[in-house]
Amino acid sequence: GQQVMQIPQYQHVQEGEDFTTYCNSSTTLSNIQWYKQRPGGHPVFLIQLVKSGEVKKQKRLTFQFGEAKKNSSLHITATQTTDVGTYFCAGPQWYSSASKIIFGSGTRLSIRP
Amino acid sequence: DTAVSQTPKYLVTQMGNDKSIKCEQNLGHDTMYWYKQDSKKFLKIMFSYNNKELIINETVPNRFSPKSPDKAHLNLHINSLELGDSAVYFCASSPRGSSYNEQFFGPGTRLTVL
Repeated sequence: GQQVMQIPQYQHVQEGEDFTTYCNSSTTLSNIQWYKQRPGGHPVFLIQLVKSGEVKKQKRLTFQFGEAKKNSSLHITATQTTDVGTYFCAGPQWYSSASKIIFGSGTRLSIRP
Repeated sequence: DTAVSQTPKYLVTQMGNDKSIKCEQNLGHDTMYWYKQDSKKFLKIMFSYNNKELIINETVPNRFSPKSPDKAHLNLHINSLELGDSAVYFCASSPRGSSYNEQFFGPGTRLTVL
């Protein structure tokens, strides 16, 4: 079945350093979403990418969708302690007349102040 | 006002018991979901309902039975709880059951089975 893999599983950085998480799908995706889950919290939607090669920015966060629409990345510039959490990518899986979201395994970001 | 709410927030119970988790959304969304997040943070969909109709039923033991009395509510009943059921259960909703719609998650219910 379709898989959505994320690397790395964990990343521990010094505050101010950059951070990147990568998401790879075994199949072409129509779209990809990114969510953030703070420790003890629930996943919160960040952004959706739809077009091949699309790049979107949200302040220090840059999201990219690969040309083949099989991979995506999230890059955070100059991390801050508020960036701590687990970042998930999520892609659709279609079957019958329904679709569901498959979440990647997540990348847990921790930061040394 | 909380968009997606769940009760209870914590649930500690003995093996073999039956328990329920309730979920309500006030966003007017058509589609609701139950997800299970294990200790390694893997987030897996369990069920999806669209306008009270079950549309996704993953490979979940039939001890888990969802119920949607109306499109704003999706409850989860679990019979004969097992140790492996310990996890955080998230309810979520989206405007429609499309992968293009963002999902709004509830705060989660941490279930601990002793």
